[in-house]
Amino acid sequence: GDSVTQMEGPVTLSEEAFLTINCTYTATGYPSLFWYVQYPGEGLQLLLKATKADDKGSNKGFEATYRKETTSFHLEKGSVQVSDSAVYFCALSEKDTGRRALTFGSGTRLQVQP
Amino acid sequence: DTGVSQNPRHKITKRGQNVTFRCDPISEHNRLYWYRQTLGQGPEFLTYFQNEAQLEKSRLLSDRFSAERPKGSFSTLEIQRTEQGDSAMYLCASSREVYEQYFGPGTRLTVT
Repeated sequence: GDSVTQMEGPVTLSEEAFLTINCTYTATGYPSLFWYVQYPGEGLQLLLKATKADDKGSNKGFEATYRKETTSFHLEKGSVQVSDSAVYFCALSEKDTGRRALTFGSGTRLQVQP
Repeated sequence: DTGVSQNPRHKITKRGQNVTFRCDPISEHNRLYWYRQTLGQGPEFLTYFQNEAQLEKSRLLSDRFSAERPKGSFSTLEIQRTEQGDSAMYLCASSREVYEQYFGPGTRLTVT
């Protein structure tokens, strides 16, 4: 079955540091890939997405590139802020099988210190 | 869009009681999903509706769980004879396009 593996947290960084959160996946077909973010006390928000190989999703300074050869979708940001502190979830959704549900990783907590 | 809303936001119940949660999707979103999230884990899929039809159910959805979406608008998730293992955050999401799901704030269930 489908699965998503994320690096374990928490990831603790100083403000303006470079961020990488690793995500790899296993899928039966050719999935679409997503990053969701969950701020404290709030619901999941879609951060960015990519639907085919070599696509780069980007939003709010975050980027992730769909790498089919390495089955990865790592999240990066060049300069983090305290307001980026949250839990980040990598997820996939199958296209070929018609299955609509999202399969999530276990999440990575990011803590940014001033 | 007013966003996906869920009610109640918190529910505390005693083991063995029945509970019902409601989800109001973004208007014009014809797809609606339920997920469950336990502490420190990512959400796990429970069930999916397209309009009023329930098209997929996870094996996580035991016989004690039932979901409906009458008239293809709001949805309800009922848990009968709750158990302590049912304690979790229950998330609802909706979508218009096939892959972009928007989540509500969730209902946190505590079974004592």
